[in-house]
Amino acid sequence: GQQVMQIPQYQHVQEGEDFTTYCNSSTTLSNIQWYKQRPGGHPVFLIQLVKSGEVKKQKRLTFQFGEAKKNSSLHITATQTTDVGTYFCAEPRVRQAGTALIFGKGTTLSVSS
Amino acid sequence: NAGVTQTPKFQVLKTGQSMTLQCAQDMNHEYMSWYRQDPGMGLRLIHYSVGAGITDQGEVPNGYNVSRSTTEDFPLRLLSAAPSQTSVYFCASSYSRGGGLASPLHFGNGTRLTVT
Repeated sequence: GQQVMQIPQYQHVQEGEDFTTYCNSSTTLSNIQWYKQRPGGHPVFLIQLVKSGEVKKQKRLTFQFGEAKKNSSLHITATQTTDVGTYFCAEPRVRQAGTALIFGKGTTLSVSS
Repeated sequence: NAGVTQTPKFQVLKTGQSMTLQCAQDMNHEYMSWYRQDPGMGLRLIHYSVGAGITDQGEVPNGYNVSRSTTEDFPLRLLSAAPSQTSVYFCASSYSRGGGLASPLHFGNGTRLTVT
């Protein structure tokens, strides 16, 4: 099975600039999840999007789910050094024994002050 | 409440050795899974389980075995370690959902494995 496509792979920004990462799938998704992994840490769940066109905000983070439910984005406004890490999207995939989460390759964000 | 506990944190093996990575969760989650993380490759699913006695292969299962005899534990066995299995391994668990939906995963802190 193909991984969900995530771009860009790397992004470097100056503190205060905005940042966006995109997740694209060839199939219609039932839902999509976003995770953040700090350097040296483990992935931590951020949010889940379920509805077509859904937009959710968490402080400076804005998550969108496309109208066709084939793409999603995470936008960070005015980045801070605490935003450094790798952001993953993950899609549920129905397999033989049940539904498993398949992750994109992630976008690694670095921020210079 | 410990969440998902992985042991060991670090391990060095020689080619051909076998070992078991341990994973335990105390949240009564039905779903458990193993991922490996390699630079530039993201998180790739090795094996997963939707309940005691039910396991299935993920995207990269070759060279690994799993079993699920209890709800709490989901060990990952490397049968004959190879340098290509050098990676960071994460165990994750969640409540099960059907119909193509998935619940948020809770990850362990990872095991960094080096095979020489």
